[in-house]
Amino acid sequence: LAKTTQPISMDSYEGQEVNITCSHNNIATNDYITWYQQFPSQGPRFIIQGYKTKVTNEVASLFIPADRKSSTLSLPRVSLSDTAVYYCLVGDLKYNFNKFYFGSGTKLNVKP
Amino acid sequence: EAQVTQNPRYLITVTGKKLTVTCSQNMNHEYMSWYRQDPGLGLRQIYYSMNVEVTDKGDVPEGYKVSRKEKRNFPLILESPSPNQTSLYFCASSLSGRGVRETQYFGPGTRLLVL
Repeated sequence: LAKTTQPISMDSYEGQEVNITCSHNNIATNDYITWYQQFPSQGPRFIIQGYKTKVTNEVASLFIPADRKSSTLSLPRVSLSDTAVYYCLVGDLKYNFNKFYFGSGTKLNVKP
Repeated sequence: EAQVTQNPRYLITVTGKKLTVTCSQNMNHEYMSWYRQDPGLGLRQIYYSMNVEVTDKGDVPEGYKVSRKEKRNFPLILESPSPNQTSLYFCASSLSGRGVRETQYFGPGTRLLVL
C-alpha cells in the first residue's frame, strides 16, 4: 500500500509561514499528491493538489521537487483558525489508485 | 447544496446488537467510501465502492459490511458490533474515484460507542 510519512505534530505562531513536508518514496509515475485539512470532529476537506514543481491557490502552496519523492505544503501567515490536522495523500497503483491511505497526518498547533 | 449526509451522528449501542449507519450523497458521484478515525491511527479506509453493486475492501474491513444498491446511498453495516469498533466514522464520495486527483467530499461523521 502506498504510504506517506509526515511529522506527527508542529507548533507555530500566528503570522508565521508553516511548511509541512511529506515523504512518498514510492509514488507512481503518473500519480498526483493531494493534501487535506481536518478540523476536530469534522471530515477532511481538500486543500491543494499537484503533480510537479509548484502549485498555488488562495489557501496554500505545494512544492514538489523533480524526483517527486517528497512534497511540502506551505501555509503563509497562519492564524489560529489554521490549527488542524493536515494529511498528505498519494494513490496506490497496486489497487488502480482506488484505495486511499490518509495516515495519521500532521497536527498543526498555531499559538497566539 | 452539494453534500454528503450521515445518520445517525451519534450512536450508543451494546455489543452484538446489529446497526446500520447510512450515508447519502446528492452529487451523482460514482465513488463512495467509509473511513474510521481513531486517536493516533488517523483515518483508515474500511470499504469503498466504485459504482452500484461494486464494492471492495479497504484496509480495515473486518467486522463491517456494505452495500451499494443505489448510486446515492452507501450504508455501513455492523452485524455484531464489538467495543473495538467504537470510533468516529466518515463517509466520503468523489466523482469517479480515479485516484487522489479527484477531490473526496466527506460527511460530518458518526460517533459510535459500543458498550
